[in-house]
Amino acid sequence: DTGVSQNPRHKITKRGQNVTFRCDPISEHNRLYWYRQTLGQGPEFLTYFQNEAQLEKSRLLSDRFSAERPKGSFSTLEIQRTEQGDSAMYLCASSSNPDRGRETQYFGPGTRLLVL
Amino acid sequence: LAKTTQPISMDSYEGQEVNITCSHNNIATNDYITWYQQFPSQGPRFIIQGYKTKVTNEVASLFIPADRKSSTLSLPRVSLSDTAVYYCLVGGSGNTPLVFGKGTRLSVIA
Repeated sequence: DTGVSQNPRHKITKRGQNVTFRCDPISEHNRLYWYRQTLGQGPEFLTYFQNEAQLEKSRLLSDRFSAERPKGSFSTLEIQRTEQGDSAMYLCASSSNPDRGRETQYFGPGTRLLVL
Repeated sequence: LAKTTQPISMDSYEGQEVNITCSHNNIATNDYITWYQQFPSQGPRFIIQGYKTKVTNEVASLFIPADRKSSTLSLPRVSLSDTAVYYCLVGGSGNTPLVFGKGTRLSVIA
C-alpha cells in the first residue's frame, strides 16, 4: 500500500502530557497538510508544507502545536501540554499537483487523540 | 475564502440516484470544485473535480452551471456502502487553503 500512513492510529494521554504524531505521505508528493477534525465537523486546516518549508499556519495552531517536515519527507505534529480540547482526529494529507486550485489531496487514516 | 453551503443530511433508498447540491456564490475565477467522501473513522477520499459544465467518472457525475455559483454531485444507483459524509470544496488557488464545511451526511436505506 503506497498511500498516506499515520502513526499511531489512536493515542490516549493525560492532560498536560506531550504527544507526537507522524505522517508518511505518498513518496512523490511535495505538499503535506495537517488537519484536525472533531465529531460532526469537517476537517479544519492546521498547517501546510511545500517540501520541507512550512508555508502556512492556521490561527487554530496555538503555540503548543508544532509541526516539522525534515528533508521534505515524513512530517511530525507535536502537541505540548495537551488539553482536553485537543481531543480530536488529526488527519494528514499529501498532494503533488503544482496548481493548488485543482489539486487532489490524499488523506491518511488519521490519528485519534483522547486527552483525559 | 470561498464558502460553500450544502444540505446537512439526506436520505435515500438503495438503487436510487442521489443529487447533492452545493452553493458557492463567491467562487473565484481560478477555483475548481472538488468533492470528497468520508466514512466514519477514515480520512476523506477524493470523488470528483470539475471547473465547468459536466464531469463524469466511474463513481459520480458533477454538474456545474455556467455561472459556477453552484454544483451538483450525482451518485447513480446508490448502495448501502455509499452511506457517508460528502464534502464540497472550492478554492485552493492563490495559495489559500481548502476549507471543509460540515458536509452532507447521506444515509442509504435498504
